Amino acid sequence: TQLLEQSPQFLSIQEGENLTVYCNSSSVFSSLQWYRQEPGEGPVLLVTVVTGGEVKKLKRLTFQFGDARKDSSLHITAAQPGDTGLYLCAGVSRNYKLTFGKGTLLTVNP
Amino acid sequence: ETGVTQTPRHLVMGMTNKKSLKCEQHLGHNAMYWYKQSAKKPLELMFVYNFKEQTENNSVPSRFSPECPNSSHLFLHLHTLQPEDSALYLCASSPRGGGSNQPQHFGDGTRLSIL
Repeated sequence: TQLLEQSPQFLSIQEGENLTVYCNSSSVFSSLQWYRQEPGEGPVLLVTVVTGGEVKKLKRLTFQFGDARKDSSLHITAAQPGDTGLYLCAGVSRNYKLTFGKGTLLTVNP
Repeated sequence: ETGVTQTPRHLVMGMTNKKSLKCEQHLGHNAMYWYKQSAKKPLELMFVYNFKEQTENNSVPSRFSPECPNSSHLFLHLHTLQPEDSALYLCASSPRGGGSNQPQHFGDGTRLSIL
């Protein structure tokens, strides 16, 4: 069974701070997706990383896929209250199946 | 607007009731999914449909019965549920169910509470 461990589980920071959340597995994935879920809504895809070592930037968000395609990180620079939400990583297996982590619940205080 | 609409948004039912959850997608996708999201657990894939055919049943109890009459609609029929079935049920769709990197588009879910 493939498992994805996300850390930290909870994170509460002040506006303007930087943060990094992690997504780790002992399994290799074809690619990895990051989603953000806001209260009362479904997850929304932020990015897909495909190649080992790949780095993708989405405004203040930087996503990195580990060289061995087993882990990933999300770094947010100068966090804003609008970044508040549950951040989910999902590993994509060769049979397209998604395996989700439990998520990191981020709260950015004004 | 997400393109994937789920109804109802909230549902409270007794253990002996029968109810159905509905999902509709307006994205022209051919694959649809049901997930269960419980507190402190990862999103759990329940069922996958590709071109109206069920291609995955992730060992889901028979008290959950999916139905996919066409590529745009997906139902989850509920019967004699247990309290531990209380959760957020999410529907998703993707262009097709095969191949990696297919982004999944989620609805906003149905919050189900079993009394």
